[in-house]
Amino acid sequence: GAVVSQHPSWVICKSGTSVKIECRSLDFQATTMFWYRQFPKQSLMLMATSNEGSKATYEQGVEKDKFLINHASLTLSTLTVTSAHPEDSSFYICSARTSGSLGNEQFFGPGTRLTVL
Amino acid sequence: QKEVEQDPGPLSVPEGAIVSLNCTYSNSAFQYFMWYRQYSRKGPELLMYTYSSGNKEDGRFTAQVDKSSKYISLFIRDSQPSDSATYLCAMGTGGGNKLTFGTGTQLKVEL
Repeated sequence: GAVVSQHPSWVICKSGTSVKIECRSLDFQATTMFWYRQFPKQSLMLMATSNEGSKATYEQGVEKDKFLINHASLTLSTLTVTSAHPEDSSFYICSARTSGSLGNEQFFGPGTRLTVL
Repeated sequence: QKEVEQDPGPLSVPEGAIVSLNCTYSNSAFQYFMWYRQYSRKGPELLMYTYSSGNKEDGRFTAQVDKSSKYISLFIRDSQPSDSATYLCAMGTGGGNKLTFGTGTQLKVEL
């Protein structure tokens, strides 16, 4: 149980284009999903917290107009990197928290590697 | 000072050794403690989840929490080459709030 998928697993795009990444909870409902960014050999950097049906909460320094997050259902959240540039190249990982959980445990997707040329 | 401190390693051990991984923290509001394993170019996998002080065992893995010292540990017995990965500690205050992660310890188990 508690499986999270991400699509695509990797993407290469040209500078200036937008890229959408999907995060799905496959066997549970996730009222809250999180989006992280990870650079090589570094830890996870939380970008935003996404609650179903409401606006995402962005961490300090993360541009909300650059990284659009939509959490339209209890099993799907999307991250759109708008007008991507080479510095946006990174490993993007989502996680989900099960509804009704009292604790903080999060279940992670396999990640999406974005390369912007 | 970071809220969560974790030695980045790398830590190299021979196969079969007992591995000890540790994190210290400064926020006494943390109530939930997790260990994640992350293989290269993959998402983190939840290994252990504990609440409150004490020990929790699952197969070859034992998680230990000492709230009085603000110190958590993960022990891996009979380590295998397949355990080679980065281990991240994470902790939270409950209520669905965000997790605070350590930087991760890179572990290599050699034949």
